[in-house]
Amino acid sequence: GQNIDQPTEMTATEGAIVQINCTYQTSGFNGLFWYQQHAGEAPTFLSYNVLDGLEEKGRFSSFLSRSKGYSYLLLKELQMKDSASYLCAVRDWGNTGKLIFGQGTTLQVKP
Amino acid sequence: EAGVAQSPRYKIIEKRQSVAFWCNPISGHATLYWYQQILGQGPKLLIQFQNNGVVDDSQLPKDRFSAERLKGVDSTLKIQPAKLEDSAVYLCASSLGRDSGSGTQYFGPGTRLTVL
Repeated sequence: GQNIDQPTEMTATEGAIVQINCTYQTSGFNGLFWYQQHAGEAPTFLSYNVLDGLEEKGRFSSFLSRSKGYSYLLLKELQMKDSASYLCAVRDWGNTGKLIFGQGTTLQVKP
Repeated sequence: EAGVAQSPRYKIIEKRQSVAFWCNPISGHATLYWYQQILGQGPKLLIQFQNNGVVDDSQLPKDRFSAERLKGVDSTLKIQPAKLEDSAVYLCASSLGRDSGSGTQYFGPGTRLTVL
């Protein structure tokens, strides 16, 4: 079966660091994506991991461990505009390469 | 570069009525996806096109939903007849192709459908 788990909600303080975890159990794996979605808007691409390790992109970093079925998104120097939902998605192996999304983690950044 | 375009942005209909959504993907993107996102959930794939052919419609409720991508560019998604549980945001996304690098998908702004 396909299962992707993320915490439903998180709260953090402006300027702090927050880590959003994602665990997955899927029948196939061909990469993991993180998307940011502000309320009422479309998801926007943040990061992609296909090999184990850390990918850094400015204030955002994403980590993957394929053996553990685990990823996290790390947000540093939090800003108020980072308040959004963060979606973890696994790309399925096979003919379609479709994305399977988790339910998303709603992050609230407080002053 | 222009992003994925969708229309309308909002639609309110009564149950049993019909509705259609339109999507224009990023130029040159061969793969087009329609997702349904219910409030508080992640997007769920309804149908995936590669050029003008369907590669995955396993989660499309085919008794009421249909989609087409004529000429391999624009696409329309139709619901007929609508049910209350169809209230959701319908997102269109496109990518260069499922075998092109990461196959990163880029999303349009979505259509928020309310069925009364």
